[in-house]
Amino acid sequence: GQNIDQPTEMTATEGAIVQINCTYQTSGFNGLFWYQQHAGEAPTFLSYNVLDGLEEKGRFSSFLSRSKGYSYLLLKELQMKDSASYLCGAGGYQKVTFGTGTKLQVIP
Amino acid sequence: EAGVTQFPSHSVIEKGQTVTLRCDPISGHDNLYWYRRVMGKEIKFLLHFVKESKQDESGMPNNRFLAERTGGTYSTLKVQPAELEDSGVYFCASSQGTGGHSPLHFGNGTRLTVT
Repeated sequence: GQNIDQPTEMTATEGAIVQINCTYQTSGFNGLFWYQQHAGEAPTFLSYNVLDGLEEKGRFSSFLSRSKGYSYLLLKELQMKDSASYLCGAGGYQKVTFGTGTKLQVIP
Repeated sequence: EAGVTQFPSHSVIEKGQTVTLRCDPISGHDNLYWYRRVMGKEIKFLLHFVKESKQDESGMPNNRFLAERTGGTYSTLKVQPAELEDSGVYFCASSQGTGGHSPLHFGNGTRLTVT
């Protein structure tokens, strides 16, 4: 079966760093996706990790450990506009299985 | 390029009625997916088209749901008859490669409320 776990909610301060963790148990795993979804809008692609390690893309970085079934999304220099839901998704053979998403609130 | 568009953005219907949701994927994207988010739960996979063929419909809840993609362009998802538990946000997404390893481009979703 497929199982994706991530925290439901997180709060962080503007300018700070926040790490959103995700653990997964899936069959036929290809890679790990992160999407950002602002309220009432479409989820938008942030990152895709296939290999173990950290990939940096501006203020956002994503990490994957395939052996541990673990990933995290790291957001640096938080801005108010980063308040959104962050979806962890495990890419299988032909589809992505998502978790419930982590609702991040950035406060002044 | 134009993104994935979904219509309508909101729909409120009574139990027992029929509703048809439409999705126009990004032009040239052979892969089209339907997902559903019920309040407080994960975005759950419903089905996957490759062009006009259903590749995987293992996530379809029951036979009250019918999805089509005639001609391999736009897709429709019909719920007939609708039940209260069908309420949620229905997302469509498309990708060039298969979604398992290609980024999905999502539409804004259709918020369905069954009363």
